[in-house]
Amino acid sequence: SSELTQPSSVSVSPGQTARITCSGDVLAKKYARWFQQKPGQAPVQVIYKDSERPSGIPERFSGSSSGTTVTLTIRGAQVEDEADYYCYSAADNTLGVFGTGTKVSVL
Amino acid sequence: EVQLVESGGGLVQPGRSLRLSCTASGFTFGDYGMSWVRQAPGKGLEWLCFIRSKTYGGTTEYAASVKGRFSISRDDSKSIAYLQMNSLKTEDTAVYYCTRDGPGYSGYEEIDYWGQGTLVTVSS
Repeated sequence: SSELTQPSSVSVSPGQTARITCSGDVLAKKYARWFQQKPGQAPVQVIYKDSERPSGIPERFSGSSSGTTVTLTIRGAQVEDEADYYCYSAADNTLGVFGTGTKVSVL
Repeated sequence: EVQLVESGGGLVQPGRSLRLSCTASGFTFGDYGMSWVRQAPGKGLEWLCFIRSKTYGGTTEYAASVKGRFSISRDDSKSIAYLQMNSLKTEDTAVYYCTRDGPGYSGYEEIDYWGQGTLVTVSS
């Protein structure tokens, strides 16, 4: 299957750790990246190649991979981290494929 | 600084056509692949299409949902990527984003920068 499945929502208290999973068969063969999208804004890349962090992205964002699942971790979540998060990878048939998206609430 | 600016969105009737533009700056446009991604109101992101750099012949790839109706192209002399959308349907209503991708043959795997998006509304 070329689908990438994420939990629809994750809630965390400020300062706690949020973990967002993304599962799909393609992740066993392809890298994933993560995008953060705040309301009314364009997505911003926060992780690429499963675990690499672009310059300018806070260190509290990290990524990991195991088999067919990748995980985005936000350690010490801040109120400003409230957003929708999407994983993204590539599949042989669908080429580009986004995850179903996760709404992260920090409250 | 990488900048991508989309334009050309608006209200269009079902069955009509529309062409979107994505004007790039802050990088050597011709070296990179480019994609278009859309987001229907209140929904998730959907990858639509990709165009390779001239190094790879400027060849294109499409999602099944738009293949045959949408066409991506590029003008490296102007640093612009285009999305030609034909036979538009109400379900094509969305914000359309252009993205900068990787420079390689499978550059669509390496989306990094996004434009701010342009809204296309298909309605009679």
